[in-house]
Amino acid sequence: DTGVSQNPRHKITKRGQNVTFRCDPISEHNRLYWYRQTLGQGPEFLTYFQNEAQLEKSRLLSDRFSAERPKGSFSTLEIQRTEQGDSAMYLCASSLGQTFYNEQFFGPGTRLTVL
Amino acid sequence: GESVGLHLPTLSVQEGDNSIINCAYSNSASDYFIWYKQESGKGPQFIIDIRSNMDKRQGQRVTVLLNKTVKHLSLQIAATQPGDSAVYFCADLEANAGGTSYGKLTFGQGTILTVHP
Repeated sequence: DTGVSQNPRHKITKRGQNVTFRCDPISEHNRLYWYRQTLGQGPEFLTYFQNEAQLEKSRLLSDRFSAERPKGSFSTLEIQRTEQGDSAMYLCASSLGQTFYNEQFFGPGTRLTVL
Repeated sequence: GESVGLHLPTLSVQEGDNSIINCAYSNSASDYFIWYKQESGKGPQFIIDIRSNMDKRQGQRVTVLLNKTVKHLSLQIAATQPGDSAVYFCADLEANAGGTSYGKLTFGQGTILTVHP
């Protein structure tokens, strides 16, 4: 257990429905990342927060995706009008961003299945 | 990291053997490299890292070698144990123009390591 929690762990939804995932990072970590991992692939960067500010979004993050970190603590990732291609593991990671690189601690992920 | 396909490379070893897992990266500007271990149903777990100004770094039972000339990274695991069975990913990090980084990782192709008792 890294200290990063994600909920739910599994989500099955029908195409066209909206889903929301939550990530609770390690409490003192100011940086929070979302990645997506499909079967047989490494995680792919989606977006990054420094405190409550969303500083970068990947082009993988279409306009159906939105992420928030309203108080600089937990974060939510929402997918609207889900498509079968959205089926993946959604990983959250957090780090204490003070130097060039601080280890990112990953949560267990939320596995999304879109039927 | 490299683009990946649907079929991951696999490495099968006997318990007690040494394992070597390889990774090629494509970004010449990458400054930092990390190896992650991912077990089934879990997120990636940090194993060891190396800066671009180094060519070797050792940890407990693990060694990472970096060859910037050919953009190649390897992870050596000594005396491999069944608990080492997992998917291993390399990841790299590029510094921003100001020499800092916010930590956007680019993951390479994973390798499935299976350790037989």
